[in-house]
Amino acid sequence: QVQLVESGGGVVQPGRSLRLSCEASGFTFSNYAMHWVRQAPGKGLEWVAVISYDGTNKYYGDSVKGRFTISRDNSKNTMYLQMNGLRVDDTAVYYCARLIDYWGQGTLVTVSS
Amino acid sequence: DIQMTQSPSSLSASLGDRVTITCRASQGINDFLVWFQQKPGKAPKSLIYAASSLQGGVPARFSGSGSGTDFTLTISSLQPEDFATYYCQQYNSYPFTFGGGTKVEIK
Repeated sequence: QVQLVESGGGVVQPGRSLRLSCEASGFTFSNYAMHWVRQAPGKGLEWVAVISYDGTNKYYGDSVKGRFTISRDNSKNTMYLQMNGLRVDDTAVYYCARLIDYWGQGTLVTVSS
Repeated sequence: DIQMTQSPSSLSASLGDRVTITCRASQGINDFLVWFQQKPGKAPKSLIYAASSLQGGVPARFSGSGSGTDFTLTISSLQPEDFATYYCQQYNSYPFTFGGGTKVEIK
């Protein structure tokens, strides 16, 4: 069965960096575009970024453009989100997703001094 | 960016009620729309994709309709497990965008 497992969340100070990982199993990872979506506490869903199946194309939401970088390693069935210059308003649960169908359970990132 | 406007933002309904949630896009998105259900502390679950196609394993009381700019999610007979927050999302063009959500509560 399809599984997406996020890791790497935690508490970090404003301005610092964090890298999230998403390990996929149960499907041919290299065939699918993959997404990051986040949800601030008590708020709605916000699309963050997407990477094409082969890693050549990447798109970002306006609020993270220039600070976050999405990448993938198809040999490891893993996607990443490098988050630099973190701000308090980046505090959220971060989900990796195939978007239309499968989502992970999320990892919490808390940005606080 | 395409804005997705969901209404209502919340509703109260009774078991067995027919419930309709609408989602309007600020520009045409063909049928590139997905509906999600989210329960507290859980990841979103996809219910409907391509505006009207039911995801596998989703009960037939859920249905979606619409194309272009106006879309609807209908629950034909509300069940206890349907009390949740529902989101629409367009995947026609980047950045993908979500509606603000509709919280369905027990009357």
